[in-house]
Amino acid sequence: AQTVTQSQPEMSVQEAETVTLSCTYDTSESDYYLFWYKQPPSRQMILVIRQEAYKQQNATENRFSVNFQKAAKSFSLKISDSQLGDAAMYFCAYRINYGGSQGNLIFGKGTKLSVKP
Amino acid sequence: ETGVTQSPTHLIKTRGQQVTLRCSSQSGHNTVSWYQQALGQGPQFIFQYYREEENGRGNFPPRFSGLQFPNYSSELNVNALELDDSALYLCASSPAGEEQYFGPGTRLTVT
Repeated sequence: AQTVTQSQPEMSVQEAETVTLSCTYDTSESDYYLFWYKQPPSRQMILVIRQEAYKQQNATENRFSVNFQKAAKSFSLKISDSQLGDAAMYFCAYRINYGGSQGNLIFGKGTKLSVKP
Repeated sequence: ETGVTQSPTHLIKTRGQQVTLRCSSQSGHNTVSWYQQALGQGPQFIFQYYREEENGRGNFPPRFSGLQFPNYSSELNVNALELDDSALYLCASSPAGEEQYFGPGTRLTVT
């Protein structure tokens, strides 16, 4: 069974500093996607970044980047130049690539990120 | 904004009652998934619909059922509500082969 583990229930970072959120996953599949979602108090789940498992290059979206270690089944999120608006719950998620079909997301339990001014 | 809306925003029901939650997606989003998010947990997959047919189901009992309509709206129905059904219910829609866009959720409280 596929599982996603986030070992840090809470993290804190100073504004303008860098923070790294950890995620590990377990799967026997070779073709899959990994995601980081942000859920602010408004509850809307927002996609932050996506990584295809077959791509060796780590995904980057502005201040957000990942460190994808496929052999170790590790997928961490780095947030650079942290801003007050980054404060939220962050969920790591996994989805098998079924081709045209969607498949379901499997989520970790989340990491609550606080940003101190 | 993701273009996915859900109604109602909040709902309070009594144990044993039935509830219907609604989701409206963007035009062309022919896949919709429903997730249950208990307090302090990550979302758990309930089921997915593709072109109005159920296309996958998580570990939820049959009293959780759904429908998807041609106008890109969908429903989640829960019968015989239990206290443990209290949660945030999220729907997510997508065009085929693309990523899921989440709605803001419906907070269900069962007393």
